[in-house]
Amino acid sequence: DGGITQSPKYLFRKEGQNVTLSCEQNLNHDAMYWYRQDPGQGLRLIYYSQIVNDFQKGDIAEGYSVSREKKESFPLTVTSAQKNPTAFYLCASTQTYTEAFFGQGTRLTVV
Amino acid sequence: GESVGLHLPTLSVQEGDNSIINCAYSNSASDYFIWYKQESGKGPQFIIDIRSNMDKRQGQRVTVLLNKTVKHLSLQIAATQPGDSAVYFCAVKKTGQGAQKLVFGQGTRLTINP
Repeated sequence: DGGITQSPKYLFRKEGQNVTLSCEQNLNHDAMYWYRQDPGQGLRLIYYSQIVNDFQKGDIAEGYSVSREKKESFPLTVTSAQKNPTAFYLCASTQTYTEAFFGQGTRLTVV
Repeated sequence: GESVGLHLPTLSVQEGDNSIINCAYSNSASDYFIWYKQESGKGPQFIIDIRSNMDKRQGQRVTVLLNKTVKHLSLQIAATQPGDSAVYFCAVKKTGQGAQKLVFGQGTRLTINP
């Protein structure tokens, strides 16, 4: 079945650690996105990518980094510079006039 | 850049009634609009979309209305059911060449009362 897979579902990070969230899609979509969602809030855009080896900062990119070495993969690294990383992270992919398909999310907690 | 605002953060309706959820956007160049439903702890699910060359689009029990003059988008859900209880988001995109930013509103929590 086609879709987007995010892993892990739950992730715990110690203070000062970098962690990487995985996002893989087999929909052959060009564009991929990372969003952050805090409790009771909307989705805020972290980074997005239209093509391989190219990506743009969203509204809250500070403390995060991404890569797009393959069309199907768009990993997100939460660096130690992100002071409040506890949140629900959602990855999505889309084509131009199609809806964005979402993964099931990764819940990151700082311990 | 684009910003997407919301009229009501919460909405309660009686089961069987119709509900209307509203959304406002800022960029008149945006040309693709999507409504999503999100249940607790899950990723958003697609409900219905509309392009800027249309004013209205209907699905099963749902209708999306687009008013480009006032940059307003609404989702109508007919004959609401308990399973419709969720958070509803609108999303807005400007398509065309280059990177296409997909911006979400803050969401409306819809509660269906029995």
